[in-house]
Amino acid sequence: GEEVAQTPKHLVRGEGQKAKLYCAPIKGHSYVFWYQQVLKNEFKFLISFQNENVFDETGMPKERFSAKCLPNSPCSLEIQATKLEDSAVYFCASRGSNYGYTFGSGTRLTVV
Amino acid sequence: DQQVKQNSPSLSVQEGRISILNCDYTNSMFDYFLWYKKYPAEGPTFLISISSIKDKNEDGRFTVFLNKSAKHLSLHIVPSQPGDSAVYFCAATAYSGAGSYQLTFGKGTKLSVIP
Repeated sequence: GEEVAQTPKHLVRGEGQKAKLYCAPIKGHSYVFWYQQVLKNEFKFLISFQNENVFDETGMPKERFSAKCLPNSPCSLEIQATKLEDSAVYFCASRGSNYGYTFGSGTRLTVV
Repeated sequence: DQQVKQNSPSLSVQEGRISILNCDYTNSMFDYFLWYKKYPAEGPTFLISISSIKDKNEDGRFTVFLNKSAKHLSLHIVPSQPGDSAVYFCAATAYSGAGSYQLTFGKGTKLSVIP
């Protein structure tokens, strides 16, 4: 399809619990990006993939965050032992051979 | 340090008039610029983009101007409509060289178009 599908739309986790977010990029798009939107408007880059390979992970908090893009599966972003500060909206975007980046509608993670 | 800056957090414009949203950047490696529109509880929606080899790109009511020497770009919306009310984000990336293609975003400008 021509949309980036993110699931779930909302996720509530108790502090210390694991959170897993999913992203199905547009078919044929080779690049996938994860962003964290905190403080209402600020987008923070987390990680990008070229197909199933990590392309740039300079924004990832290494200790608790991990991500994968496996063939024939949605990409995933996993947060182990969530903290209150992880509460944010997480956006996934995919990019094809042209220069267009298409964003999903996001997953709102609330850590209580 | 913030590499993409949108210095106006908000802007109010009368319906039918021109809306001008501004964006400044500091990284000389940026060579492709995009504007996104975002409604609450939705993802950013692509509006218009411009490559650094151009100084203007137009698409219907939307025009983006790029001034490379000043490291400044602007989005013009003419005429403004109430449905344009949203948060607008400027974003930039570096395609040439060993770039990672990630978008760097400004903090957004909330546009309110008053009927």
